[in-house]
Amino acid sequence: AQSVTQPDIHITVSEGASLELRCNYSYGATPYLFWYVQSPGQGLQLLLKYFSGDTLVQGIKGFEAEFKRSQSSFNLRKPSVHWSDAAEYFCAVGRFNTDKLIFGTGTRLQVFP
Amino acid sequence: DTAVSQTPKYLVTQMGNDKSIKCEQNLGHDTMYWYKQDSKKFLKIMFSYNNKELIINETVPNRFSPKSPDKAHLNLHINSLELGDSAVYFCASSHADWDAEAFFGQGTRLTVV
Repeated sequence: AQSVTQPDIHITVSEGASLELRCNYSYGATPYLFWYVQSPGQGLQLLLKYFSGDTLVQGIKGFEAEFKRSQSSFNLRKPSVHWSDAAEYFCAVGRFNTDKLIFGTGTRLQVFP
Repeated sequence: DTAVSQTPKYLVTQMGNDKSIKCEQNLGHDTMYWYKQDSKKFLKIMFSYNNKELIINETVPNRFSPKSPDKAHLNLHINSLELGDSAVYFCASSHADWDAEAFFGQGTRLTVV
């Protein structure tokens, strides 16, 4: 069965520190992978996506993610976190956008000054 | 000029009532979706429509009925509301292209008392 696992429910970092959010997936076919961010009281915003090609994907707000097929992972990274990055982050997998997206359970990021 | 808008943003109602949530997108997208986010932040697709036709219908009680009067609208009607229906419901839309991005609304927080 298709699934997405985000092992970290809650992560706390200091402002300016580096960040890595983990995502592992289980998918029978070639996956399309996404990271979304949900700020408090807001909808979901797409940070980045991977469909094919270069396995290191650049997104908005200084985020990047690396697809590692051998590890079935698509971890999200940012070199220096800002206080405004505090939010809930969701990893998702699908075939394409007219198919359903399967979401992980999310990682809540807290940023301390 | 909101891309995907949902109304209402908050909805508190009693068990047994019938309620509707409206969704409109002004992006010219072909495909629209309803997702449910439960109290543990788990997001799961409920329905998807492409050009007013139902494409995805996950295992959702038939008390939930989506209605798409035109490509720009996908409303969600819920009959005989139950306590377990309390959740945040997100509408989303995308082009029917394999690499299209899904845009999400801000969500409707439904509380059944």
